[in-house]
Amino acid sequence: SQQGEEDPQALSIQEGENATMNCSYKTSINNLQWYRQNSGRGLVHLILIRSNEREKHSGRLRVTLDTSKKSSSLLITASRAADTASYFCATADNFNKFYFGSGTKLNVKP
Amino acid sequence: EAQVTQNPRYLITVTGKKLTVTCSQNMNHEYMSWYRQDPGLGLRQIYYSMNVEVTDKGDVPEGYKVSRKEKRNFPLILESPSPNQTSLYFCASSYPGQGRRELFFGEGSRLTVL
Repeated sequence: SQQGEEDPQALSIQEGENATMNCSYKTSINNLQWYRQNSGRGLVHLILIRSNEREKHSGRLRVTLDTSKKSSSLLITASRAADTASYFCATADNFNKFYFGSGTKLNVKP
Repeated sequence: EAQVTQNPRYLITVTGKKLTVTCSQNMNHEYMSWYRQDPGLGLRQIYYSMNVEVTDKGDVPEGYKVSRKEKRNFPLILESPSPNQTSLYFCASSYPGQGRRELFFGEGSRLTVL
């Protein structure tokens, strides 16, 4: 399976701190994406990084990709209570299949 | 408003009673797909469709059928539901191709099979 794995499975921090989540995957990819899911709701796309990119920023989000290690990280800076959610990485192969990890559950305490 | 709409949002049914979960998108997306989400397993792809009349199996297609007769609709059919199909189901759509591949998700359909 190409399914990615997020680490840690759960993360609890104080408001204002940074949150870092990691994702590993198994085979070659076209791109890697991060999604956010509020409890039981649909996933919302956060950021996409292509296989030839190493780092990407969007607001308080910073994503890195290391294709040699088959890993990615998502950094949320200056976290807020509203960032409390589950975060998933997803990889897309050249055959239009998507593979999601099992997610990191982030709790930001006010 | 751009959206993916799933119905029903909640459903309790019994083993063997055929059901259909509808999915419709208004963004003219060519790519549509179905996922199931189970605790500890993340999202797993059931089926996907690159365009009208083109469907392919994902990772967990057993027990499911799909059809793509129109671009905007991609229903998920459970011909004979079983308790192991109790799950949270998501439909998603996207533009195909390498330039823009983010998925737009519906709000989910929580299915319980007794």
